[in-house]
Amino acid sequence: GAGVSQSPRYKVTKRGQDVTLRCDPISSHATLYWYQQALGQGPEFLTYFNYEAQPDKSGLPSDRFSAERPEGSISTLTIQRTEQRDSAMYRCASSFRGPTGELFFGEGSRLTVL
Amino acid sequence: RKEVEQDPGPFNVPEGATVAFNCTYSNSASQSFFWYRQDCRKEPKLLMSVYSSGNEDGRFTAQLNRASQYISLLIRDSKLSDSATYLCVVNGGDDKIIFGKGTRLHILP
Repeated sequence: GAGVSQSPRYKVTKRGQDVTLRCDPISSHATLYWYQQALGQGPEFLTYFNYEAQPDKSGLPSDRFSAERPEGSISTLTIQRTEQRDSAMYRCASSFRGPTGELFFGEGSRLTVL
Repeated sequence: RKEVEQDPGPFNVPEGATVAFNCTYSNSASQSFFWYRQDCRKEPKLLMSVYSSGNEDGRFTAQLNRASQYISLLIRDSKLSDSATYLCVVNGGDDKIIFGKGTRLHILP
C-alpha cells in the first residue's frame, strides 16, 4: 500500500478482555516493528519481524502480549486479559532496509482499557 | 542505564536562536543513528540520519561521537515550525531500533 495502515485507530475495552491490533505495512518492506507509546514519552520497543521471522520480542511487557506476521506482510499484536496499564498508543512501523533505513510509521492504534 | 537517554526539556527558545540537544546511548555495538521528529498527536518522522563524519541538512546539523557514545542535533535560526519533540534513535547492536524518550522544543515568537 501507499503507507503503513493500522486498525483500529481507537479501541476502548474493558479490563480482562482480549484485543487484537492490526498493521498493514508498506508492501515492499521486509522489516516491521511494534512500539508502545505512553503520553509524553518516546516509543518503547516491543518486537520486530523480518518477513515472518520474529528475531526479538524482548520488549513485550508480559506473556499477555504476542505478535504475529504469518505471511511476512500483515502483522497483528494481541493483548490478552487487558489491564488498565496497557492503555497507550500502539505504533507500527515498517522499513525497507531494516535497522539502517528509515522507519515509516502508521497513525497508531490508541487503546483505552477501562 | 537506559539504552538511549535524552534530556526531556522542554527547551523554550526564541525564534531565530540556535539550540542544541544531546543524546547518549549505552550499546557500543550500535551502528545506526537517527533523529526523528514527532509533532503533537502525530507519528514520528525521520528528520535525519547521523553519520560518523557529521552531517548537515539545511539548518540542521547532526554529530556522532562514538568514543563518548553520544549524538547531537543543532538547529540554527530556529523557526516557529521547529516546535516539536525530537527523538534520538539508535539500533541496539542488532536489528532492534530503540527510541529515546524525546526532547520537547518550544520556539517562542
